[in-house]
Amino acid sequence: KAGVTQTPRYLIKTRGQQVTLSCSPISGHRSVSWYQQTPGQGLQFLFEYFSETQRNKGNFPGRFSGRQFSNSRSEMNVSTLELGDSALYLCASSLGTSPEFNEQFFGPGTRLTVL
Amino acid sequence: GENVEQHPSTLSVQEGDSAVIKCTYSDSASNYFPWYKQELGKRPQLIIDIRSNVGEKKDQRIAVTLNKTAKHFSLHITETQPEDSAVYFCAASIRGGGFKTIFGAGTRLFVKA
Repeated sequence: KAGVTQTPRYLIKTRGQQVTLSCSPISGHRSVSWYQQTPGQGLQFLFEYFSETQRNKGNFPGRFSGRQFSNSRSEMNVSTLELGDSALYLCASSLGTSPEFNEQFFGPGTRLTVL
Repeated sequence: GENVEQHPSTLSVQEGDSAVIKCTYSDSASNYFPWYKQELGKRPQLIIDIRSNVGEKKDQRIAVTLNKTAKHFSLHITETQPEDSAVYFCAASIRGGGFKTIFGAGTRLFVKA
């Protein structure tokens, strides 16, 4: 079974631009979560989607948004990029939505650099 | 808001020694506590987890303990090996609809041969 894939793997943007990142979950997985990873901050929860609905959201500004398609693939968008948005963006997929019964599997991440 | 504090941020041990990483969570609704290992340049991988109705769980050289009253949970690695060197993240998941997993800031573990 193929693992979680993310595209692109690396991205360089300039301040003020917008960016769209893509995540393809493991086949059959319907929950996709997004995290921002920066040095010293660990993984910060962005949002979680299940069956095309956002079920949970972290404490990020409205510039961060996402969506999920009927095939469970998910995209996240960041508008008006700031230097502080430079980070590794990880998505994780799971079969269902109960954390204690559904292991999350992470993708390799997209490294976003904002200049 | 929900918060998970993790200590220490860096831990250096001699091969064969034990390593202990401690975490504290703030939201009493948290009911599931996974631990992830992230090797350099790789994705985080689940290594062990514990549910709120269990006080301790062990898997070979790794054990996790949970004190719900104090909102503390810890990872114990015994007989450490160089391949244990990585960043370890604790996390707490909130009971309720869907995933909302709050991670600690991570502990970089160095195991010296």
